[in-house]
Amino acid sequence: SQELEQSPQSLIVQEGKNLTINCTSSKTLYGLYWYKQKYGEGLIFLMMLQKGGEEKSHEKITAKLDEKKQQSSLHITASQPSHAGIYLCGADWNNFNKFYFGSGTKLNVKP
Amino acid sequence: DSGVTQTPKHLITATGQRVTLRCSPRSGDLSVYWYQQSLDQGLQFLIQYYNGEERAKGNILERFSAQQFPDLHSELNLSSLELGDSALYFCASSVGVSNTEAFFGQGTRLTVV
Repeated sequence: SQELEQSPQSLIVQEGKNLTINCTSSKTLYGLYWYKQKYGEGLIFLMMLQKGGEEKSHEKITAKLDEKKQQSSLHITASQPSHAGIYLCGADWNNFNKFYFGSGTKLNVKP
Repeated sequence: DSGVTQTPKHLITATGQRVTLRCSPRSGDLSVYWYQQSLDQGLQFLIQYYNGEERAKGNILERFSAQQFPDLHSELNLSSLELGDSALYFCASSVGVSNTEAFFGQGTRLTVV
């Protein structure tokens, strides 16, 4: 959706390298969700960031919410082939009345 | 616009009732997925259908059921509704059963009162 823009659209990295995916909102964020989709599977919930400049980590994945920029970044440290998939950000802007997804970032990690 | 259509957009119903949510996948997509998103959780995978047959099952309650029809649209039936069933229900579709991306509808917001 245009309300949520993700960049880059696709990414190929060598195993062991760090990478960052960004998600920018056109509106004030109320809650920002990160998901991962493995091919052939449904979405996997990674983490949720709430208003307030929150930062969360899950294994080697860290996500931050910059409310001033209305942007969230997802950072993967020492990437592994198991990190490959499509990363989606999602957001709701008005107390859960609507929920939108970004267009996704395809990540491939070369062994 | 993802090409996936969900109806209705909003639904308010009382506890104990039964509702049906409908999903029309993108043209050409054979797989349909259903997800539930509640306020305190991320998306929860419920069930997947591929070309009319159940393919995978996630955290779907026994009170919930789904089916995919010959025209590939799908319905999610929720019965004996409880307050805790209030959530956004998403449908997604993809071309194949694996190695494909899924495209999501905008969701049906269910409120149980």
